Parts: sequence; C-alpha cells; structure tokens
Amino acid sequence: EADIYQTPRYLVIGTGKKITLECSQTMGHDKMYWYQQDPGMELHLIHYSYGVNSTEKGDLSSESTVSRIRTEHFPLTLESARPSHTSQYLCASSPTPTGTHGYTFGSGTRLTVV
Amino acid sequence: DAKTTQPTSMDCAEGRAANLPCNHSTISGNEYVYWYRQIHSQGPQYIIHGLKNNETNEMASLIITEDRKSSTLILPHATLRDTAVYYCIALSLLSGGYNKLIFGAGTRLAVHP
Repeated sequence: EADIYQTPRYLVIGTGKKITLECSQTMGHDKMYWYQQDPGMELHLIHYSYGVNSTEKGDLSSESTVSRIRTEHFPLTLESARPSHTSQYLCASSPTPTGTHGYTFGSGTRLTVV
Repeated sequence: DAKTTQPTSMDCAEGRAANLPCNHSTISGNEYVYWYRQIHSQGPQYIIHGLKNNETNEMASLIITEDRKSSTLILPHATLRDTAVYYCIALSLLSGGYNKLIFGAGTRLAVHP
C-alpha cells in the first residue's frame, strides 16, 4: 500500500497550458524530492525540500517550480508546458534521520505535452 | 557523495543467484551503500543498505568488502519479477540526514526462464 501518492498517473496536455502535478505523503516525512526521468534514461533530481517553506533546485535545471506549504504536500507546477517537458516525474520522501528504508517513491506521473 | 560504478547490464537464469557488483572506491567512512531497483517505469524501490557489515533481509543480501571499496548485491533465487534496473548509491547520513539520493545509470538485470 503506497504511502506517497502522485496524481494524475498519466497526463496529456497541450502546449502552453499550466499544469500542477500533485504529490502527497502520509508518513510525516520532512524531506521531499522531485525527480525527472525520460524513457530508458537516468533519474535526475530537479527539486527538493527539507521542510515547510524550504525548497531548493536539484542537480538538473528545470523550468518547473515547487512549493511546500504543508509537510505532507509538495506540488510541482509548469506555468507553460512545452513538448520538451514530456517525461515521467517521480516524487519521493524521506524522514530525518533518513532511516532504514531511505527514500519512499511514488508511482510517478507520466506527462505528455503535445 | 562518492561515485559508484556498475556494469551496464547482466543476465541471470531463473532460480539462480544474481550477483550484482558495485565499485565505490572513493567512498568515505560515513557513507552507506544503498541499493534500489526500478521495475519498468515504476518508482524506485528500496532493497537494502549497509555501512561495513554484511546485511541480509527478505529481499536480498549485501556483501561489502573489508576495505569498503566495492560491494555485491545478491538475489539468492532470482525470478522473472526481479527483472529491473538496480542502482547502487553511496549516501551519507551525516548532517542530520540532509542528503540527496543521486542515481547513476544502474545495472539492467534480465532474468530469463
């Protein structure tokens, strides 16, 4: 049973639209992360947060933005979607200290921009 | 965090042990070795982690060399459902746990009948 939820699971949207990918976790983890993964390629960290009102950019530059107003919620927003944003977006969380299971990942959102 | 090196791909017969190697020659004393796997395009799944002692759980065993420069993940009886990309990651748990899990290319394990 998943403790971290991502919606939608799949999204096809037109160029120029604003979209928000949702990520919520029920484990009380203070740290949350967004990764981007193109088909058959590596996962790249694009955003992370170490707590409420704390957000940082990851190792891969991304035009998306994130917010962390509540501990359990870490949405990712694209103000104007483009075909280059087509990818899978994976959300993860971890407690402090990291603990025995490290990071817990959601099932991902597969985004297609046409 | 230390860089890790893994073979690009491996094959294993169903029912046999799968031994996945990982080199981490620059690993520091406070870095753990974590293993995750990603089945198809699902979110990565935690498998096991260790510091210097060998570890075993219901999924796998982790063997870390005495000098900690390399490790091996062992799936004792591989099944077709173990076909996945396996990631070996060196992760420091210092600084209050404010770390970032950085993935490499991993090893693509194919289990065949």
